[in-house]
Amino acid sequence: KQEVTQIPAALSVPEGENLVLNCSFTDSAIYNLQWFRQDPGKGLTSLLLIQSSQREQTSGRLNASLDKSSGRSTLYIAASQPGDSATYLCAVKNTGFQKLVFGTGTRLLVSP
Amino acid sequence: ETGVTQSPTHLIKTRGQQVTLRCSSQSGHNTVSWYQQALGQGPQFIFQYYREEENGRGNFPPRFSGLQFPNYSSELNVNALELDDSALYLCASSTGTSVNNEQFFGPGTRLTVL
Repeated sequence: KQEVTQIPAALSVPEGENLVLNCSFTDSAIYNLQWFRQDPGKGLTSLLLIQSSQREQTSGRLNASLDKSSGRSTLYIAASQPGDSATYLCAVKNTGFQKLVFGTGTRLLVSP
Repeated sequence: ETGVTQSPTHLIKTRGQQVTLRCSSQSGHNTVSWYQQALGQGPQFIFQYYREEENGRGNFPPRFSGLQFPNYSSELNVNALELDDSALYLCASSTGTSVNNEQFFGPGTRLTVL
């Protein structure tokens, strides 16, 4: 059974810092990994999707890497801003349909 | 392009009642998945619908059921509500069932069971 873990559970940083969020998964036979952002009480916004054949994806100040063999992914946020404050979730897909298996998220607070 | 929409936004029910949640998929998307997100947890996969048929299910009891309509919109029905059913219910749509397809999520329906 696939299990996804995210560390740390919560993170508080001052504005401008670069930071790294971690995601690990137990079954390395994944099709892809996706990072999401969730604001309190809201739905999920997709940030980056990394296919199993890829090593990383970049979008603006965000960079996600994938090491499938070790079961790890990192989300790097450069020059953090208060607007980045949210919960960040990673999810993996390792079945033949659209089921995503999620971690419990990292709650990020960026202070001005 | 219209994104994924869900209704209602919030809902309060009592234990034992039945509830129906609705989802309209993003334009051009024919696959809908439903997730349950309890407070402080990651979303849990309930099931997936493709071309009006359920073709994937998570570890949820049969009282969780669904429908998909010819216009690809979908409903999630929950019978005999329990207190633990209180959660944010998320709908996601994608183009087809390929494992490489990205899913796009709606804003969710917050269900409270008293």
